[in-house]
Amino acid sequence: QSVLTQPPSVSAAPGQKVTISCSGTSSNIGRNFVCWYRLRPGTAPELLIYESNKRPSGIPDRFSGSTSGTSATLGITGLQTGDEADYYCGTWDNSLSAGVFGGGTKLTVL
Amino acid sequence: QVHLVQSGAEVRKPGTSVKVSCKTSGYTFTNYDINWVRQATGQGLEWMGWMNPDSGDTGFAQRFQGRVTMTRDISISTAYMEVSSLRSEDTAVYYCTRNPRYTSSHDYWGQGTPVTVSS
Repeated sequence: QSVLTQPPSVSAAPGQKVTISCSGTSSNIGRNFVCWYRLRPGTAPELLIYESNKRPSGIPDRFSGSTSGTSATLGITGLQTGDEADYYCGTWDNSLSAGVFGGGTKLTVL
Repeated sequence: QVHLVQSGAEVRKPGTSVKVSCKTSGYTFTNYDINWVRQATGQGLEWMGWMNPDSGDTGFAQRFQGRVTMTRDISISTAYMEVSSLRSEDTAVYYCTRNPRYTSSHDYWGQGTPVTVSS
């Protein structure tokens, strides 16, 4: 059971927009920055969003992040088949004194 | 460019231990923390702990305390993570990550090291 809650799967057509939610509590998302990661088979995981809404260099502006209270959201616009992957949110939990992740969301581009 | 290159796949019997290495390059090893994250087959990411390569300070998720050790060799910019008293539930891919100090942001990841625990 993951500390952060994500939907198991989302799907959308190429060119469309999708959002992935990440729900937490006041001890994690409510107090700390959120990061988003992409995991694709056969490749190292990749940081997509840090400090809740910043993109590392090389990550296109099709990817965006936001937070509100104890929830975070990853947005992906202009979906491409290459975006199919598992997406994870992560942050720090002050009560656990530990890093925590969501259970992951599988994105399917139909 | 920043690179984290991990050691190869391992197979161990229950009750034994495994040590995974993470060789870094492209940045100053002591300026960033190293974290370890694992993923069991079909499961999500699980944070294991962190190490400050400069001081050697470490911190662990509660479930790994006493069973996981994190060390480093500054001379070769390499971090190590050892898990002892292995059980079948430890079968997973283990990743090292680079973290800017005092953040939970894993900005670069190793390629992962599969560890299989089986009798």
